[in-house]
Amino acid sequence: GAGVSQSPRYKVAKRGQDVALRCDPISGHVSLFWYQQALGQGPEFLTYFQNEAQLDKSGLPSDRFFAERPEGSVSTLKIQRTQQEDSAVYLCASSLPSRGPGTQYFGPGTRLLVL
Amino acid sequence: QQQVKQSPQSLIVQKGGISIINCAYENTAFDYFPWYQQFPGKGPALLIAIRPDVSEKKEGRFTISFNKSAKQFSLHIMDSQPGDSATYFCAGGGSQGNLIFGKGTKLSVKP
Repeated sequence: GAGVSQSPRYKVAKRGQDVALRCDPISGHVSLFWYQQALGQGPEFLTYFQNEAQLDKSGLPSDRFFAERPEGSVSTLKIQRTQQEDSAVYLCASSLPSRGPGTQYFGPGTRLLVL
Repeated sequence: QQQVKQSPQSLIVQKGGISIINCAYENTAFDYFPWYQQFPGKGPALLIAIRPDVSEKKEGRFTISFNKSAKQFSLHIMDSQPGDSATYFCAGGGSQGNLIFGKGTKLSVKP
């Protein structure tokens, strides 16, 4: 079956621009996670949704970062007034809670470069 | 603290050898410990996972050993193959589900 898909795969933005990153989770997966992965580092948690409810946004680095999942399926991560330090790969993962915490299936990521 | 410390940072193993990667965690609320494999340009893929009530889990050539009292766990890759060359991440997860990852180990298996 189809896995987690993300778009765009690559995004180049000028500093100060707003960007929107899309995630299509596996059909039927209730939980959706966003992570940020800097070059040569492990993924770092940003935010978590269960259906349309954003249950944890403690990992969002600033109020320039905003995520939504209005209908409980597709999610969008928006970054306003991008800065160079926002350059990273943004990973989306989905999971079925009935399979236990942590069984997350990751998408290929969106590589964001802020110039 | 919700840290997961992973070592070594990089590892070179001959084909057919055993690759061993170690992790230590601090948060005793973690109840799920997965290992992920990541190839360049790809997202992490779940390799194998263990819960703290089990001391060892084996799936094919991959084995997790878990020491709850020491708060440590490790991944062993038996009969390592060049196709295993990738970056490996350990992680800890709690009831909410979000994962705390180690910094990764870049494994190179030489033919």
